[in-house]
Amino acid sequence: QVQLQESGPGLVKPSETLSLTCTVSGGSITSYYWSWMRQPPGKGLEWIGYIYYSGNTNYNPSLKSRVTISVDTSKTQFSLKLSSVTAADTAVYYCARATNDWLAFHIWGQGTMVTVSS
Amino acid sequence: DIQMTQSPSSLSASVGDRVTITCRASQNINSYLNWYQQKPGKAPKLLIYAASSLQGGVPSRFSGSGSGTDFTLTISSLQPEDFATYYCQQSYSALTFGQGTRLDI
Repeated sequence: QVQLQESGPGLVKPSETLSLTCTVSGGSITSYYWSWMRQPPGKGLEWIGYIYYSGNTNYNPSLKSRVTISVDTSKTQFSLKLSSVTAADTAVYYCARATNDWLAFHIWGQGTMVTVSS
Repeated sequence: DIQMTQSPSSLSASVGDRVTITCRASQNINSYLNWYQQKPGKAPKLLIYAASSLQGGVPSRFSGSGSGTDFTLTISSLQPEDFATYYCQQSYSALTFGQGTRLDI
């Protein structure tokens, strides 16, 4: 079955760029929407953005100026870049696959903790 | 942005109880409403999509209803494994989650 795995640095310095990759295994990355969410410690879920396999993107308006999501279909990976990070960006970051019709996240990665600290 | 407000924020119940969680959207979202269950240290799990459709493999004691701005998630008879945090999520315009409802024993 399809599985997702996040990877990337667990510690990022303030003002730098957070970079994460989600590797898709057990299936194709073509079709479906591929998304990033995050969850600060003890808090709720926040949608960051998604990308369709063709490259079309949609971002959370509150993060849009700092976010870039890209896809590499040859590697069955998609990536997140979040620039100018602060302590408020400390969170567990999840990648997920959403259905095409209702944008429901039916497959999730296990999540990766990213701490922003000097 | 469309705001999603869940109530209650927390809830205490017992095994066998019938539980209802409410999610209200700040504007009409038709049926673009999904429900998730999250346990500590784990990724969320999709329970209900399109307001009332049960995701494959999810027990039938979970059900969803509503359209427009008001939605409910009902657990007909609580089981020990159901104690978790539940989130609603709208996908009508951009995507937003409710703040979550913690269900405790």
